[in-house]
Formats: sequence, C-alpha cells, structure tokens
Amino acid sequence: AQSVAQPEDQVNVAEGNPLTVKCTYSVSGNPYLFWYVQYPNRGLQFLLKYITGDNLVKGSYGFEAEFNKSQTSFHLKKPSALVSDSALYFCAVRDRPGGSYIPTFGRGTSLIVHP
Amino acid sequence: DVKVTQSSRYLVKRTGEKVFLECVQDMDHENMFWYRQDPGLGLRLIYFSYDVKMKEKGDIPEGYSVSREKKERFSLILESASTNQTSMYLCASIAVVGWVEQFFGPGTRLTVL
Repeated sequence: AQSVAQPEDQVNVAEGNPLTVKCTYSVSGNPYLFWYVQYPNRGLQFLLKYITGDNLVKGSYGFEAEFNKSQTSFHLKKPSALVSDSALYFCAVRDRPGGSYIPTFGRGTSLIVHP
Repeated sequence: DVKVTQSSRYLVKRTGEKVFLECVQDMDHENMFWYRQDPGLGLRLIYFSYDVKMKEKGDIPEGYSVSREKKERFSLILESASTNQTSMYLCASIAVVGWVEQFFGPGTRLTVL
C-alpha cells in the first residue's frame, strides 16, 4: 500500500524568506511524486513531479522539490516566498506503471506567507 | 490548453434531493476520478472509472453512485442528499500513458440544507 504524510498542518513564513513544505512517502516500488497547489475555492493545480533522473525537480512559480530516496522524502521548496504563494499544498505519490495508477494524497499543508 | 470542467461551482440542495454533479474532460483520458475534500481530511476518493461504463469504488463510496456513458464525461450522483454530504467535490482525470499527473476541475462546493 502507498501512503503520504505531510507532518505540518500549517507553515508560516515571512515574505522574502525561504520556505519548505515537508512530505514523506511510502510505496512498494519506485514512486512517481507530485506537488499540487490549491487556492481558495479552486481545484488543485499541478506544480511539479518527480519521475526519474535528477533528484532536484523544478516546477511552476519558482518552486522546486528534492527527491531523497534514503529518507523517502519529497520536500517542496522555494528560495524566496511571496504573499501570493499563500495556499494549500498537497503532496501525492503514485506507484510506477505496473502498480496502481491511482495517486494517494497527503492531507495538505496550509502555507501562510506574511508580508 | 487541457481542461477539466465541472457543471457548477456552487450548489445548494435540500436534504433528500437527488443531486447530479457533472465533469467533462477534453484530453481523451481513460481514467476519471471523483474526490471529496473536507478540512483536515485532505482528498478522499469516492469513485473512479478506468473506461466507459466501468467504475470502481474508492475509499468512501457510501451514499454516492457514478455514471460514465461517454469517455469524456463522468457524473457523480447523490441519490438522496444528506447534510453530511456538504463538501467540496473535485473531479480529476489522468492518462494511461504519457502525462502522469492528474488534471483537476475547479471544484463544486455543495451545501445540503
């Protein structure tokens, strides 16, 4: 069975400071990993994914994430936070082809960026 | 530009009413999903469909049914709405090959009075 944990319900950061939103996962094989963002009263928007290759993945809006296989983590990062980054962030994992194509989502982390 | 659309952004219904939530995708994706989102609980999978007329129960199917008569359209049905079905409902689709991420609709915020 696959699972995702987002240990923080809320992350607070000042504008201009770096931000990290944490995600750890468990999957039987090699994972596909995803980050999505949700703005108020909106659906989820895809930010970035890890499939294979370079452990540092760059995505939309200046976000990046680092895949760490030994720690089974896929933390979302941004060097300099903006107030407009305030939103709900979801991490998701999916097993590779041959496994389940149904992603499992974390419970979400609310990011609040203070001016 | 790829798109998943949902028939309503906001919906208010009364207890006992039959409710239809419609989702349409224009990406020719085989797989479609209905999720329910509640604060603190994240996304919970209600039903998914991997082909026309095919469906599988997700984690919380009780009180819901689905219909997929055409590849692009996946409907969620609340046979007799109850107040505990007040929630945000999200539709998503995913391809079997190619892109591996899901594409989500804008969501329907359903209130059952």
